[in-house]
Amino acid sequence: AQKVTQAQTEISVVEKEDVTLDCVYETRDTTYYLFWYKQPPSGELVFLIRRNSFDEQNEISGRYSWNFQKSTSSFNFTITASQVVDSAVYFCATESGYSTLTFGKGTMLLVSP
Amino acid sequence: DSGVTQTPKHLITATGQRVTLRCSPRSGDLSVYWYQQSLDQGLQFLIQYYNGEERAKGNILERFSAQQFPDLHSELNLSSLELGDSALYFCASSPPRTGGTGELFFGEGSRLTVL
Repeated sequence: AQKVTQAQTEISVVEKEDVTLDCVYETRDTTYYLFWYKQPPSGELVFLIRRNSFDEQNEISGRYSWNFQKSTSSFNFTITASQVVDSAVYFCATESGYSTLTFGKGTMLLVSP
Repeated sequence: DSGVTQTPKHLITATGQRVTLRCSPRSGDLSVYWYQQSLDQGLQFLIQYYNGEERAKGNILERFSAQQFPDLHSELNLSSLELGDSALYFCASSPPRTGGTGELFFGEGSRLTVL
């Protein structure tokens, strides 16, 4: 069975600091997908990124970057120059077949001015 | 706006009662997923439907049931409600594609409070 561990329950930073959210996953599948979702205070879940297990190339998109390391089963997410609007709960997830997702417990990010 | 519509947004009811949550997926999406988010359990997958047929089942209680109708909207029925059923229930949809792994588009959720 899939399992996703987000060891950081809550992180507090001051605006403009860089912050990295950790994610460690367990899966028996040889081919799998990993996701990050964001849940702002308004409550909806917003898709951020999907990576497949074949592609370990790390990606940067604006202030966001992702570090996927298959050898350590980690899929970390970094926000550069954080902003107050980044305050949210961030969920890492792995796909369990038919696009059903197994989520971690989430990391609450608080960015203060 | 994800395009997934859930009603009602908030619902308060009493133990032992039955409620129905409704979800309209994005136009063109054939799959509907239901997730429960609670403080204790986090985000948990309940059940998935694809074009009217049940495709995958997660940690859904026997007191809960769901269906997807020919117009592709879905309903999640929760009966004999208990205090512990208080949670945010999300519906999500995904575009038709083989092999899964699609991005899920989530609705804003239905917050159920059982008193």
